Amino acid sequence: AQRVTQPEKLLSVFKGAPVELKCNYSYSGSPELFWYVQYSRQRLQLLLRHISRESIKGFTADLNKGETSFHLKKPFAQEEDSAMYYCALLNAGGTSYGKLTFGQGTILTVHP
Amino acid sequence: ETGVTQSPTHLIKTRGQQVTLRCSSQSGHNTVSWYQQALGQGPQFIFQYYREEENGRGNFPPRFSGLQFPNYSSELNVNALELDDSALYLCASSLTGRARMNTEAFFGQGTRLTVV
Repeated sequence: AQRVTQPEKLLSVFKGAPVELKCNYSYSGSPELFWYVQYSRQRLQLLLRHISRESIKGFTADLNKGETSFHLKKPFAQEEDSAMYYCALLNAGGTSYGKLTFGQGTILTVHP
Repeated sequence: ETGVTQSPTHLIKTRGQQVTLRCSSQSGHNTVSWYQQALGQGPQFIFQYYREEENGRGNFPPRFSGLQFPNYSSELNVNALELDDSALYLCASSLTGRARMNTEAFFGQGTRLTVV
């Protein structure tokens, strides 16, 4: 069964500090992974997906198949980065095709 | 281009009742997925609809059912409500193209269901 684990429920950093939100997954096929973000009083929105290999709002995430990880990183955190972050894995086959499996989420707080 | 909209935004029901939640997909999208998000948890996949048929289902009992209409909007129905059904219900729309490849999923703002 596929699973996504985000070991930290809460993460606090100061503005300008580097930040890393951890995500580990288990999946028998070739994984397609995403980071979603939810800012206060806003809907869940896609931050980035690994196949795009983009940097969005200064965030990057590299898929490490050996460690089954997809950690989200930003070298210099900003106060506006404070939000809930979810790592998610797409099921691309079988009876649950199209299913996104989410981790429990990490609340990031960036202090001034 | 319109985004994903859900109605109602909040709802209170009594245990044993039935509820219908509605979702209008984003313009140009043909696939709708439903998720349940309990307090403090990540969203959990309920099912997905594509071409008006269920296209995948998570670990939810049959009293959770759905529909997709020709305009790609969707309903989630829950019968015999239980207290544990209290949660935020999210709808997400996407475009399924050739070779069943999905585009990015766009989420609605959710319906907060409280069962008392």
